[in-house]
Amino acid sequence: GIQVEQSPPDLILQEGANSTLRCNFSDSVNNLQWFHQNPWGQLINLFYIPSGTKQNGRLSATTVATERYSLLYISSSQTTDSGVYFCAVGAGGADGLTFGKGTHLIIQP
Amino acid sequence: DVKVTQSSRYLVKRTGEKVFLECVQDMDHENMFWYRQDPGLGLRLIYFSYDVKMKEKGDIPEGYSVSREKKERFSLILESASTNQTSMYLCASSLSSRGSQDEQFFGPGTRLTVL
Repeated sequence: GIQVEQSPPDLILQEGANSTLRCNFSDSVNNLQWFHQNPWGQLINLFYIPSGTKQNGRLSATTVATERYSLLYISSSQTTDSGVYFCAVGAGGADGLTFGKGTHLIIQP
Repeated sequence: DVKVTQSSRYLVKRTGEKVFLECVQDMDHENMFWYRQDPGLGLRLIYFSYDVKMKEKGDIPEGYSVSREKKERFSLILESASTNQTSMYLCASSLSSRGSQDEQFFGPGTRLTVL
């Protein structure tokens, strides 16, 4: 099956800093999603981005499908951005997502 | 907004009990999914369904079964709960699967403890 690798596994930053999270995947995909898992375990949808670039406020994401990677950018970090960020990919029709192990982000005040 | 709800946030059961985890979505989605999340192992797919009464095994179906009698509801069943099924269970749904995959939306999760 598809392998998904996220880096870095852990990231500690000061409030106001910018960060880039990376997701590499091993095969062609037709779905790529970025999630933020809040402290209660809920997965919050950030981006559905199998290709191209999207922006939503301080967050943006780029997927280069031909090179099999995606990047999530967080600008002007806030303490509420802390948590685990997951990249997940899908290659089939109704098949489920394959998740990376996540990046644990801590934003210190 | 898409809403996916799960019947319980926290559940404690005894070894050997039959356990039902319920998931309901309100957006007429065709596809529904069950995942479990464990420290160090991440999220893994248990079962999914692309239509009423249809089901497909995911990566770790052993010890589980599912039921989808209505489009909006997808149940995960632990026939005889065991301690290694203590986990966080997450349900998801997506609109359809024709062509490329649609975006999946997740419920709040159920933390199951089996004693």
